Amino acid sequence: GQNIDQPTEMTATEGAIVQINCTYQTSGFNGLFWYQQHAGEAPTFLSYNVLDGLEEKGRFSSFLSRSKGYSYLLLKELQMKDSASYLCAVRDGDYKLSFGAGTTVTVRA
Amino acid sequence: IAGITQAPTSQILAAGRRMTLRCTQDMRHNAMYWYRQDLGLGLRLIHYSNTAGTTGKGEVPDGYSVSRANTDDFPLTLASAVPSQTSVYFCASSDSGDRGEQFFGPGTRLTVL
Repeated sequence: GQNIDQPTEMTATEGAIVQINCTYQTSGFNGLFWYQQHAGEAPTFLSYNVLDGLEEKGRFSSFLSRSKGYSYLLLKELQMKDSASYLCAVRDGDYKLSFGAGTTVTVRA
Repeated sequence: IAGITQAPTSQILAAGRRMTLRCTQDMRHNAMYWYRQDLGLGLRLIHYSNTAGTTGKGEVPDGYSVSRANTDDFPLTLASAVPSQTSVYFCASSDSGDRGEQFFGPGTRLTVL
């Protein structure tokens, strides 16, 4: 099985940077995903890492270290619309996802 | 249809009743999944199907059943609903590529009284 930990809540100011950490322990690893979920809506895909290193996509970046069982999602130039929950998910060898409980990010003006 | 749809949007159900949640996708994805999302627990996998005609159990399968008669549809049935099945249910699908990210439906909010 998978054990995935991420902080429950984070608060940041508009225009700032926030880093959401995710640690995991797995019985098999086949990629790590980050999803964004606005209140009352479905999760939407943000990023995917399967090799160590940083993946950058606009204002969002995601990092993976497989040896440390660690990932982070970096949100830059925060905007009010970035207020949401961010879900870390690990895919196992059978291509099933296990999700962390999610980190609620609140962006303040 | 564009993407993945679920029905109903919400439902209030008496305990002991049978209920089927519907999920349809038009992306021709091989794999489909059912999750429940509860406050503080995140998304938990109930059942999944890697291809039409096959299904598998996830983390929390008890009290639920699924079928996958074709590629597009993946209904979830609660044979005899109990209050602990009150939750938001999400259906998802993915293709077989290396990345294979999952696309989620809009969810069904189910309340069992």
